[in-house]
Amino acid sequence: QTVVTQEPSFSVSPGGTVTLTCGLKNGSVSTGFYPSWYQQTPGQAPRTLIYTTDTRSSGVPDRFSGSILGNKAALTITGAQADDESDYYCLLYMGSAIWVFGGGTKLTVL
Amino acid sequence: EVQLLESGGGWVQPGGSVRLSCAASGFTFSSSAMGWVRQAPGKGLEWVSGISDSGGTTYYADSVKGRFTISRDNSKNTLYLQMNSLRVEDTAVYYCAKRSPTPSSNYFDYWGQGTLVTVSS
Repeated sequence: QTVVTQEPSFSVSPGGTVTLTCGLKNGSVSTGFYPSWYQQTPGQAPRTLIYTTDTRSSGVPDRFSGSILGNKAALTITGAQADDESDYYCLLYMGSAIWVFGGGTKLTVL
Repeated sequence: EVQLLESGGGWVQPGGSVRLSCAASGFTFSSSAMGWVRQAPGKGLEWVSGISDSGGTTYYADSVKGRFTISRDNSKNTLYLQMNSLRVEDTAVYYCAKRSPTPSSNYFDYWGQGTLVTVSS
């Protein structure tokens, strides 16, 4: 069974920079997994932020960026704002139209 | 504007069945692969099932394989999820999601607001 790992929680100060990561319990994440990132606030549907590793979805502020750092996918928020306080999920494509989500990271801005 | 509107959720007893629907608009439904993603209360997102644009190919997570059936009616712009042999652990908000139009992108670009399915005796 594929396990996608994310930090359970993270904290950042307003205006600060934070990098959330997305890894594989047994392996490395590469662009071939087409990592994507989603933002979700309580009671709301997910919102697509980043796809194919580093492409911002339409309307997403450029303070959000995606990359591969070492053996993990990464989501970096530069100049964090209060309304960035959300849950963030990464999604990896396993091939054959099968996907696996990470467990999500709860980001606190304080 | 792309819209995905789920319906059909509610309360069901363990072992029971329910069918979810997702009405799509604002894009060419018949050209779009689709999927279902769920979220148990207080938990993370879980990919559940996917279907090709024609409906000819379907995919399932191991947790629902053999119990859930995804289908679509392109004449009605509607996606379905038939859920049988329901378990307490199937309790979740179920989201309908549109797969990205570019085959090489492999992500979900639009999401519905979700419908809650509660499995309880």
